[in-house]
Amino acid sequence: KAGVTQTPRYLIKTRGQQVTLSCSPISGHRSVSWYQQTPGQGLQFLFEYFSETQRNKGNFPGRFSGRQFSNSRSEMNVSTLELGDSALYLCASSLGSSGGSDTQYFGPGTRLTVL
Amino acid sequence: QKEVEQNSGPLSVPEGAIASLNCTYSDRVSQSFFWYRQYSGKSPELIMSIYSNGDKEDGRFTAQLNKASQYVSLLIRDSQPSDSATYLCAVQYNAGNMLTFGGGTRLMVKP
Repeated sequence: KAGVTQTPRYLIKTRGQQVTLSCSPISGHRSVSWYQQTPGQGLQFLFEYFSETQRNKGNFPGRFSGRQFSNSRSEMNVSTLELGDSALYLCASSLGSSGGSDTQYFGPGTRLTVL
Repeated sequence: QKEVEQNSGPLSVPEGAIASLNCTYSDRVSQSFFWYRQYSGKSPELIMSIYSNGDKEDGRFTAQLNKASQYVSLLIRDSQPSDSATYLCAVQYNAGNMLTFGGGTRLMVKP
């Protein structure tokens, strides 16, 4: 079974621009979660989508948004990029069972550099 | 504020030794616990999950959970240089599926 895929793998943008990242989950998985990883803050949860609905949201500004399509593929968008948005953006796929015990598998990530 | 704490390391062990990695968490309603391994420049890779108090073994890896003391640990037996990586502890709460991660422990296994 194919793993989680993310595109693009690397991205360079300038301040003020916007960016869209894409994630395709493992076949049969209905939940997609997004995380940001930086050296200073570590791995932080952005949001989770399940059945095309945002089910959980982390503590990030509204510039960060996402959506999920009917085939469970997900995109996240960051508008008005700031230098501090430079990070590894990770997508994780899971079955989506609620109440814990939902194992998440990570994609390879998108490395975003904001100049 | 739910917190997950790990010693950042580096933890250095000789090849063939047992590496012991520890993690504490702050919220008693935590439901599920996961250990991920992350090589430099790569994404986290799931090693083990544990949901109940006690030990869970998978090959050279043993996860230990003590909910009363709010800690979870990972033992790696017969450590190999290929085990050198950052090990991330993650906690999942009943209220949702989001994972809260510790800062990770960097493990170095010396030949």
